[in-house]
Amino acid sequence: DGGITQSPKYLFRKEGQNVTLSCEQNLNHDAMYWYRQDPGQGLRLIYYSQIVNDFQKGDIAEGYSVSREKKESFPLTVTSAQKNPTAFYLCASKTKGPNTGELFFGEGSRLTVL
Amino acid sequence: RKEVEQDPGPFNVPEGATVAFNCTYSNSASQSFFWYRQDCRKEPKLLMSVYSSGNEDGRFTAQLNRASQYISLLIRDSKLSDSATYLCVVRVYNNNDMRFGAGTRLTVKP
Repeated sequence: DGGITQSPKYLFRKEGQNVTLSCEQNLNHDAMYWYRQDPGQGLRLIYYSQIVNDFQKGDIAEGYSVSREKKESFPLTVTSAQKNPTAFYLCASKTKGPNTGELFFGEGSRLTVL
Repeated sequence: RKEVEQDPGPFNVPEGATVAFNCTYSNSASQSFFWYRQDCRKEPKLLMSVYSSGNEDGRFTAQLNRASQYISLLIRDSKLSDSATYLCVVRVYNNNDMRFGAGTRLTVKP
């Protein structure tokens, strides 16, 4: 079955530690995205990538880093510089064409910083 | 001003009611528009795309008004299962930058 897999689903970390969230897709999609969602709020774009070895900052990139070494993979690192990292993180992908809008999401990763 | 803004809600309606949500976008160069549905603690899923001429899918109707820069979603004959958060999504510029509104929470009651 094709889809997007995020891991881990739940993650607890101590303040000051970097954490990396995994996102893998086997849909052969070119574009991949990371969003953050806080309780009762919408999705805010952290980073997105349209092609391997290239990515762009979204609205809230500070304190986060990404890489896109393979088409299938777009890991997100939440660094210690992120002031308030506790949130629900969603990875998504879509095809690259201008008229294709459907984003396919993973099930999300809930990060809690203690 | 946010790029994509939605009615804050929440909307609490009885079964069978008709309910409408609006969404405004700030960038006139926005290319494509969508409505997504998100259930509690789940990932968003595409409900429908919004075409220039308007489009309908069963009980759901989406409209686009480019002049006023808003899109709308109309739900007729609301069902309990329609209870969710509805997210407006805009593809910005001529690339793959997808921006979400904050969402409108709908609760349909018996």
